[in-house]
Amino acid sequence: IAGITQAPTSQILAAGRRMTLRCTQDMRHNAMYWYRQDLGLGLRLIHYSNTAGTTGKGEVPDGYSVSRANTDDFPLTLASAVPSQTSVYFCASSREPWGYGYTFGSGTRLTVV
Amino acid sequence: GESVGLHLPTLSVQEGDNSIINCAYSNSASDYFIWYKQESGKGPQFIIDIRSNMDKRQGQRVTVLLNKTVKHLSLQIAATQPGDSAVYFCAENEEYGNKLVFGAGTILRVKS
Repeated sequence: IAGITQAPTSQILAAGRRMTLRCTQDMRHNAMYWYRQDLGLGLRLIHYSNTAGTTGKGEVPDGYSVSRANTDDFPLTLASAVPSQTSVYFCASSREPWGYGYTFGSGTRLTVV
Repeated sequence: GESVGLHLPTLSVQEGDNSIINCAYSNSASDYFIWYKQESGKGPQFIIDIRSNMDKRQGQRVTVLLNKTVKHLSLQIAATQPGDSAVYFCAENEEYGNKLVFGAGTILRVKS
C-alpha cells in the first residue's frame, strides 16, 4: 500500500541523547516535510525538502536537523534531546512543493525525560 | 506572522445533523486551502481542498465554502456520523509557497 512509513511509533528518550526519526515514502513524491504536533498549537513545520538533495528550515527548526539523500527517505535527527521536544512528530509528502494534498504518516510519539 | 485559526475548539452534534466547522485566515495572499481530518492516534487525512478562484466546492457529504472578503473558510458535513468524530484542521498555502500553515484544530464530537 503506497504511503508514508514512520519509525519508531513511539519512544521514550533520556534528555541529552541523540535520536533519529525515520520517514520513508513510496509514492515518488518530490517534497517532504516534518511537523510536530502539540496540543493547542496545531501542526508546526520543522524542516522541509522540496526535492532530493535540498532542505529548508520551517517555523521551529532549532534542535533538529534533516537530510534528503534520495527521494524516498527524509530522516529527522535530534542531536541532543530536551524535554521541550516531547511531541508527536509527523512526516508528510506531496507530489510537488506547493502543498497540494499532503500525505501524512501515522506519527512518532516522542517523550524526552 | 500569518496564520490560520479556528473559531470553535469543540463542536458537539447529534448523529444525523449537519456540522459546520469554521476557520479564519489572515494571509490575504493565500490562494489554496485544505481541510484535514485527524482521528485519534493517526496522521491527518486530506478531506477536501479549494482554490481562491472558487467560493464553493463539494465532495461526498462535505462542502467547503470560501469567503475571501472576510477571509473565512468553513467545512460543512452533511448527515454527520459517529465515524466523523475527529479533529479537523484547516490549512492555507500561499501561491507557490512551499509549506502549509495549519490552524490549531476543532474537535468534532458526534452524539448517538
